[in-house]
Amino acid sequence: QVQLQESGPGLVKPSETLSLTCTISGGFINNFYWSWLRQPPGRGLEWIGYASYSGSTNYNPSLKSRVTISIDTSKNQFSLKLNSVTAADTAVYYCARGFVAGGVYMDVWGKGTTVTVS
Amino acid sequence: QSVLTQPPSVSAAPGQRVTISCTGSSPNIGAGFDVHWYKQVPGTAPKLLIYGNNHRPSGVPDRFSGSKSGTSASLAISGLQAEDEADYYCQSYDSSLSGLVFGGGTKLTVL
Repeated sequence: QVQLQESGPGLVKPSETLSLTCTISGGFINNFYWSWLRQPPGRGLEWIGYASYSGSTNYNPSLKSRVTISIDTSKNQFSLKLNSVTAADTAVYYCARGFVAGGVYMDVWGKGTTVTVS
Repeated sequence: QSVLTQPPSVSAAPGQRVTISCTGSSPNIGAGFDVHWYKQVPGTAPKLLIYGNNHRPSGVPDRFSGSKSGTSASLAISGLQAEDEADYYCQSYDSSLSGLVFGGGTKLTVL
C-alpha cells in the first residue's frame, strides 16, 4: 500500500521560498507523475504541477514562473519549491501520485500540510 | 473562476439519487480528455472516486457512477447515505493550458 507524507515548514515569510518534501513509502518512484496540489482556505483544489521519473515536468501556467518540482530517487522523495510567496499562497498543500491512463489522475494522496505565508 | 464548472451545492434525502454535473469546453472535456472525480470530506485529503470517466477504483461502492458526453460529465450517486456528505470535484486535462484542471467543487448535503 503506497503512502505519501508531506513535510516542511508550516510558516513562510512573504517573498521567501516555500519548500516541501513528499516521502513515498510502500512503493517506488518510477512510472508515475509525482504531483503537488493545493487548496486555499475555504476554496477548491488547484493543480500546481508534476514531475515524472524520466525527468519531465509540467506546471500550472499561472505558477510556472515560480515553481520547481524535483525527484530524488535515492531517497524515494519528491519536492516542491515555490518562490516569491505572498499571502495568496497560503493553503493546504497535497502531494499525490499521478497515474497516467487517458490523461492523468491522482490515485494516492498525502494527508496534506498547511502552509501559512505571514 | 474554475475551468470546469460544477454546481456549488446539491442536496437530497437518504436513499435518493443525486447527480453532479461538470461542464467543460472544447480544449478539455470536449476534446475527448477523460474526466475523473474525487470525494473530499472537510478536513481530510481528497480521495479518488471515479477515473477514466466511469471506472471505480477498488473499494468504491457501485452506488457511484460516472458518465461523459460532449463537453460535460456527470457523477451519479444512488441510494444516498449520510456518509456521502462531502465535497466532490471533477478533474480533466486542458490542451490550451497544457495541464490539469479542476471544477470548483460541489458540496453534497444529505438531508
